[in-house]
Amino acid sequence: EAGVVQSPRYKIIEKKQPVAFWCNPISGHNTLYWYRQNLGQGPELLIRYENEEAVDDSQLPKDRFSAERLKGVDSTLKIQPAELGDSAVYLCASSLASGTEYFGPGTRLLVL
Amino acid sequence: GNSVTQMEGPVTLSEEAFLTINCTYTATGYPSLFWYVQYPGEGLQLLLKATKADDKGSNKGFEATYRKETTSFHLEKGSVQVSDSAVYFCALSDRLSGTYKYIFGTGTRLKVLA
Repeated sequence: EAGVVQSPRYKIIEKKQPVAFWCNPISGHNTLYWYRQNLGQGPELLIRYENEEAVDDSQLPKDRFSAERLKGVDSTLKIQPAELGDSAVYLCASSLASGTEYFGPGTRLLVL
Repeated sequence: GNSVTQMEGPVTLSEEAFLTINCTYTATGYPSLFWYVQYPGEGLQLLLKATKADDKGSNKGFEATYRKETTSFHLEKGSVQVSDSAVYFCALSDRLSGTYKYIFGTGTRLKVLA
């Protein structure tokens, strides 16, 4: 069974540029999560989807971050414009309704 | 609110040594508890879990017991290997306002020396 797929794995951009990350969850998993993991820290939830509905986006900086999950499968997370402090690893995870979360390999973002 | 506290790292051990990584939690409900492992350059992988008090999760020689009385979920392994070098995250999942929410600790880096 394929795991959670994320792309790209690495991204380097200059500040003020836009960037987008893509996630394909495990087949059949209706819940999808985006986390940000700063260096030396644990993951922090940005947004959680159940199917195509964002049910928890309280930690998403809505002035520059946006996310979508059209058709309740794949999801994209966008930052526009990026700031230096956005450098981090962005992790996508998926689960069945209330089950264990399975994580993708993450996208490592460096903002210069 | 809910929280997870892990011992700070790095933890440096020789091969075949005994490992303990402490984890305590606070939660308003009855959470499930997890240990995740993150190898260099990779995402988090579920190592083990326990869903109720006194449950013991185990995998790959690692064990952790859900202790409600001490609100702890310490990770142990009897004999570590160099390949166990990674960052270990304790996490809880609690049902709040009808939805499940994961909270992670800050992680503990383990270095095993040959």
